[in-house]
Amino acid sequence: QSALTQPASVSGSPGQSITISCTGTSSDVGGYNFVSWYQQHPGKAPKVIIFDVEKRPSGVSNRFSGSKSDNTASLTISGLQAEDEADYHCSSFTRSNSFVFGGGTKVTVL
Amino acid sequence: QVQLQESGPGLVKPSQTLSLTCTVSGASINSESDHWTWIRQPAGKGLEWIGRIHSAGSTSYNPSLKSRVTISVDTSGNQFSLTLSSVTAADTAVYFCARDGGLGYIEYWGRGTLVTVSS
Repeated sequence: QSALTQPASVSGSPGQSITISCTGTSSDVGGYNFVSWYQQHPGKAPKVIIFDVEKRPSGVSNRFSGSKSDNTASLTISGLQAEDEADYHCSSFTRSNSFVFGGGTKVTVL
Repeated sequence: QVQLQESGPGLVKPSQTLSLTCTVSGASINSESDHWTWIRQPAGKGLEWIGRIHSAGSTSYNPSLKSRVTISVDTSGNQFSLTLSSVTAADTAVYFCARDGGLGYIEYWGRGTLVTVSS
């Protein structure tokens, strides 16, 4: 299976909003609402910040939001803060009854 | 509090078999809703889903790794394991064990263990 496609890097200034895209196919992102997003700081394990396309786990800031259109899911970070500087990974359930991740996006706060 | 801890050799020779164990605390590996998962991450790269197992024994694997991967559960030890055969340098990565609560996302992760494939 092919990895989902994410931009390698996205940057923004504090207070701005940024959006990270995650493009798959009708066999994964487009076919299911089991899309999740993970935040990973250097040397740490990932942490889920969005699941089921748009739901936030308890304790995750409402500055993080998710959406999906056709085969592309998106993660928006509003009011960008220094602590948001991290790698972000998307994931989707697939028709093969497996999961697939994206290549990861490095977010830089300018 | 659910905790997972990976253990196993940090160095494996090419063509040999990689074996890792994940010890779970704070939760029962017999839980009907949970799937116990392995994920890896080569240095500087993205995550790769390897596969998962349910306590009842059903498994699901990444199609690209399926021929070389086996995930098993040891209910008496509250552990689950990963074996990956015929390894090459491309299998060098940090390996994470994790819990998917049956809702399609990973709730809990281990800290990860680096496995290097080299002679």
